[in-house]
Amino acid sequence: GIQVEQSPPDLILQEGANSTLRCNFSDSVNNLQWFHQNPWGQLINLFYIPSGTKQNGRLSATTVATERYSLLYISSSQTTDSGVYFCAVDLYSGAGSYQLTFGKGTKLSVIP
Amino acid sequence: DTGVSQDPRHKITKRGQNVTFRCDPISEHNRLYWYRQTLGQGPEFLTYFQNEAQLEKSRLLSDRFSAERPKGSFSTLEIQRTEQGDSAMYLCASSLISGGYGHEQFFGPGTRLTVL
Repeated sequence: GIQVEQSPPDLILQEGANSTLRCNFSDSVNNLQWFHQNPWGQLINLFYIPSGTKQNGRLSATTVATERYSLLYISSSQTTDSGVYFCAVDLYSGAGSYQLTFGKGTKLSVIP
Repeated sequence: DTGVSQDPRHKITKRGQNVTFRCDPISEHNRLYWYRQTLGQGPEFLTYFQNEAQLEKSRLLSDRFSAERPKGSFSTLEIQRTEQGDSAMYLCASSLISGGYGHEQFFGPGTRLTVL
C-alpha cells in the first residue's frame, strides 16, 4: 500500500518561531489533507490540498504532487498550536473508497 | 451547522463484553468512514459506507466487528467479545462524494475505548 512519511517526528519551538513540517508519499494520490489533533483527540481540518498552495492565517501549505510531497508552514507559533499534525492522502483503491492513509504525525510543542 | 458527532465519548468495559458506538455524520454527506487510532499512531481505515451500503472493509476489521448504517443516516460500530487489544480511539468521518471524485473528510471527536 501507499506509504506516508512525516518529518520531523517531534518538534519543540519557542513561541513566535516559524516551522516547516514535511509529508512525503510513495504514490500518486487523488487528494491530501492536513489535520491538527488536539489534546482531546479531535482531528481538526487544516487544509484540503491535492496540489498547489493555500494559506489560512498563520498557516500555509504547499503540495507538489508530481514530486510526491507536501509542506505545512506555521509562522509566529503560539502555545495553542501544540499538538500532533497529521498528513493524510487518499489513493483511489479501485473499490472507490477514497480511504485516507495517515502518516505517523509530527508532535509539536510550543513553549512560552 | 453541526459537524460529525459520536457517542459515547468514552467507554470502559471488561474483556469479553460487547460494546456499540454511534456516529452521526454531517447531514448532507453520503459517505461515512470508520477509523481506529492507537497510541502514537495515525488513524487507520476500518470500513466505509456509501449511503446505506457497506462497500469496503479493512483486514483490521475482524469478524468480531460489525458496522451498520441503516437508512443511510447514522452508523453503529459493534465490537463483540472485546479484547484488550481493541483499546483505541474509534473515529468516524464523513464526506460528500459526487461526480466520482473524492472530497474532504471531516472527523468526529472519537470514542475512546478502554478494555480492562
